[in-house]
This record gives sequence, C-alpha cells and structure tokens, in this order.
Amino acid sequence: RKEVEQDPGPFNVPEGATVAFNCTYSNSASQSFFWYRQDCRKEPKLLMSVYSSGNEDGRFTAQLNRASQYISLLIRDSKLSDSATYLCVVNRPSGTYKYIFGTGTRLKVLA
Amino acid sequence: SQTIHQWPATLVQPVGSPLSLECTVEGTSNPNLYWYRQAAGRGLQLLFYSVGIGQISSEVPQNLSASRPQDRQFILSSKKLLLSDSGFYLCAWSRGADTQYFGPGTRLTVL
Repeated sequence: RKEVEQDPGPFNVPEGATVAFNCTYSNSASQSFFWYRQDCRKEPKLLMSVYSSGNEDGRFTAQLNRASQYISLLIRDSKLSDSATYLCVVNRPSGTYKYIFGTGTRLKVLA
Repeated sequence: SQTIHQWPATLVQPVGSPLSLECTVEGTSNPNLYWYRQAAGRGLQLLFYSVGIGQISSEVPQNLSASRPQDRQFILSSKKLLLSDSGFYLCAWSRGADTQYFGPGTRLTVL
C-alpha cells in the first residue's frame, strides 16, 4: 500500500460546480497534513494546511478524519482558474522532517 | 519575507556529463532543506534532505549527491548523468515539520 494515495482523475467539472477530493494515508502516527496546488510545469504551492477540526479558506474546505486516515478537499463554486493538479501531503511522524506527496488529482474546470 | 531561488531554470545535458544544481534561501535561518525530483506525469520523489550545514540524509540510492556548504545553500550534484535523471528538480525549505515552500524548479533533460 502506498503511504499516500489519491485518485489521479482527471475530474472534469463545469464552472460553478462543487468538487471533492479524498486522500488516504497509511501511517496512523502522521501529524501534519497539507493540500498543495501544482499548475502545469510549475512548482507546487501551498493551498492550505489541514487541521484536526477542519478548516475553511474562502471556497476551499479541508477536513481530516484520523480514524479512517483520510483527508479531503472540497472546492465550491469552481472557477476556470481552479484547473490544476491538487497534491495531498502528509509528514512522517515526529523526529523526521520527511513529507510524503501523493501523485495528485487533476482537476479541469470547464466553461 | 522568505524567498527561495534555484538555477538554472532549464538544462539540457548529454549522458555521462556532470551536474550541479543550486538552491539558496533568503529571509530565514537554519531552514530544513529538501531536493525532490518529479518525473513527467509522476509524483514528487524526495531525494535528499538536510537539517543543518553538512548534514545530509539520502532517501534514494542513486548517482546523485547533495551538499550543504552554507546554512541557506543546498547543492545537488552528479558526476555522470543517466537518461533516467531527466525530470523536474525542486528545492524546498521548511521550518521544522511545518509547511514546505518550493523554489521555481530546474527542468533537466538528459540526452
């Protein structure tokens, strides 16, 4: 089993739609979780950290389910500019500084 | 504010030639530094990370090496490039196990 798994997509959605991505992780001792966005041929950029209680930033909502070992990202009112690959990132347990990246979920928002 | 630089932006090298990629961080001290490689259409693979000057941890045995001669400088090297070394090389920094921030990357093509 991979340490971090994501559905590669692509998810093709119309503008204005709500779309959700899930990501599962295998190490129950992982402590930090993030969603990054990567545009084609560019570096990944932090979209949001994921907190235990869930958190929201505008149209984006991230949630963590420790019992089932998954994190989710919900995008409401999708914009054309949301088209990108979304990477799930989990850090290994404390004492190391290693981050495990999922292979990403590709989103295409269609006009 | 912190910034991270990488150069060169693109590089085309023949098989068997040496490699040196440089990464520098500004605006912070004693960062954790990372080198990743992203092959075409694939996820990020952690190559090396460093928690301090001269301290390098290797994740994947291969013909690459890394050095950290100064606090905010991280260098990726190879004595002889292979075709399989082609990819998008990303440097990142973090403070402890907090968020990682990426440089703009170097796109390497080995012919």
